[in-house]
Amino acid sequence: NAGVTQTPKFQVLKTGQSMTLQCAQDMNHEYMSWYRQDPGMGLRLIHYSVGAGITDQGEVPNGYNVSRSTTEDFPLRLLSAAPSQTSVYFCASSYLGRGDKDTQYFGPGTRLTVL
Amino acid sequence: GEDVEQSLFLSVREGDSSVINCTYTDSSSTYLYWYKQEPGAGLQLLTYIFSNMDMKQDQRLTVLLNKKDKHLSLRIADTQTGDSAIYFCAEYRGSTLGRLYFGRGTQLTVWP
Repeated sequence: NAGVTQTPKFQVLKTGQSMTLQCAQDMNHEYMSWYRQDPGMGLRLIHYSVGAGITDQGEVPNGYNVSRSTTEDFPLRLLSAAPSQTSVYFCASSYLGRGDKDTQYFGPGTRLTVL
Repeated sequence: GEDVEQSLFLSVREGDSSVINCTYTDSSSTYLYWYKQEPGAGLQLLTYIFSNMDMKQDQRLTVLLNKKDKHLSLRIADTQTGDSAIYFCAEYRGSTLGRLYFGRGTQLTVWP
């Protein structure tokens, strides 16, 4: 079991460029989510998905798109990168609605810098 | 309010006990979690407690839950330098399936 994997680990973009952050899990989890972590702000939810074909917005969705075509993958797309999107991005996954199985498992993160 | 509250910093001496506190928001939250984040890494689940429990012990970790005050604490006994990390409290409210609400994290520094 690889758990939750994310690529790339580091990325530098110029303002206006677009890119996709990849996230995959091999635990057959229904729920997947993307967070960004900024100093002093903790974790803020960007988008989440409760299953293939179903996505919804979190607290800070502007500037990001997601899709969920398979159970395993949940990519995050930055449409036109801005310096305010410089952050560390974490993908997480869990089972759904089973009490203690709601434990979220996190990937190692992608450190993104937008110049 | 909406926020899960934690103090931002805690410093302790090696060998002492650490207590990290959290105030959560929803009295109907079913599960409460503690995650640990080491520098440059993702979040690792430390422990969780179900809302019908007052206490849970797991080796050096003790979680106390006061539902009346919506207060959660994590006690680390015999704190070691390897325990230096950011600790996040999170609650599962159940209103949105699967979603956890996180505090801002407490930076624990352990001095030798």
